Formats: sequence, C-alpha cells, structure tokens
Amino acid sequence: GEEVAQTPKHLVRGEGQKAKLYCAPIKGHSYVFWYQQVLKNEFKFLISFQNENVFDETGMPKERFSAKCLPNSPCSLEIQATKLEDSAVYFCASSPEGREGYTFGSGTRLTVV
Amino acid sequence: EDQVTQSPEALRLQEGESSSLNCSYTVSGLRGLFWYRQDPGKGPEFLFTLYSAGEEKEKERLKATLTKKESFLHITAPKPEDSATYLCAVQVRDSSYKLIFGSGTRLLVRP
Repeated sequence: GEEVAQTPKHLVRGEGQKAKLYCAPIKGHSYVFWYQQVLKNEFKFLISFQNENVFDETGMPKERFSAKCLPNSPCSLEIQATKLEDSAVYFCASSPEGREGYTFGSGTRLTVV
Repeated sequence: EDQVTQSPEALRLQEGESSSLNCSYTVSGLRGLFWYRQDPGKGPEFLFTLYSAGEEKEKERLKATLTKKESFLHITAPKPEDSATYLCAVQVRDSSYKLIFGSGTRLLVRP
C-alpha cells in the first residue's frame, strides 16, 4: 500500500522498561527515517536507513536507543530502560531516494510513567 | 549552525482572508526546502519541495515561494479545512537526507 504503517499507535511503559516501535515503509522506498516529536512541534531526527544499512545515526542517543531495518521485516526502534523524557510521538517516514519529500506514518505515542 | 525559524507561531484567519506564513533559514548550503501540513494526531503530510531561489509551486489555495533566505507559504481565500499546523523543513547539501524542522505555524480558519 501507499502508506507508512506504524505500530502500536500508543504505548505506555513504566520508567526503566523497554519499548519497541515498528514501522513498515512503503514498498519500493529505499530510505527510512525516524523522528521524535516533543512539545511545541519540535522534530528531532534520530536515524536513517538506506535499505537495511544505517545511513545516518547522528541523532540517536547512544546509550539506550537502537534501530534496525532487516529484509522482509518491519523496521524497529527500541528504547532500553525508558526515561520520563523519552515520552514523545515517534514518527517513521520513507522515501524512494532520500532527497524528495518523505511520506510519514501516523506515529507512535510513547508515554513513560 | 543550521537553523529554521517559522513565524508567526499561530495565526487566526476568517474564511476567505488571505495571508502568508514565513519560514526563514540559515544553512551552510540548501539542498531543498520542504513544506508539510500536520493535522492533530497525524503525521506530517507532504505539500511542496523547493530547490532554488525564485522557484514557486502551487496546489489548490496554497502557493510556496523561495528566496535565498526564506520561504513563504501563501494561503489564498482559506477555508476551515485548511486549519492545521504548517511545518517548514530544510535539507542541507552535502549531508544526509535528514530534515531540520522549524517549530511550525498553527493556522485556524474560522467560518
């Protein structure tokens, strides 16, 4: 289909628990991006993939965040030992070649309590 | 440091009252400037990409323009369904394809 599918829509985790978010990009799109949206529409770039290879990970907090895009599987973003400040909406986007406008998914709202 | 600033933060218009949203940017080299629309609880929806100063693009009541320092999103005779947050973002040349976003303009169009 022509949409980026993100699951789950909402996720609640206690502080210190693990959170795992999933993203199925549009078929045929080579690039996948993860962004974090916090208060006041602030979008923070986390990581991008070109097919299954990490393309740019300069936005990823090194210690607790990890991400993968494996062949024939949804991409995933995992947060180990969540903290209160990880509460945000996490958006995945995909793009055929990277330089044009992305298609975003509808996001996963993570609430850490 | 690469930066994108949008103004105003919020804008209220009457239906039919045309206006413009501003996006000013400071980057080492611009690969492209993007406009998105975001409705509450949804992901950003792509509107336009502009690549060089002087370029203009139109879609229904929206027209985007680009100079070397800023972009404008002109809304002509808006309708209530145009109410949304409009986001501006840039891609920097010689970097990855990540987007640097502004903080958006919340537009409310009253009937």
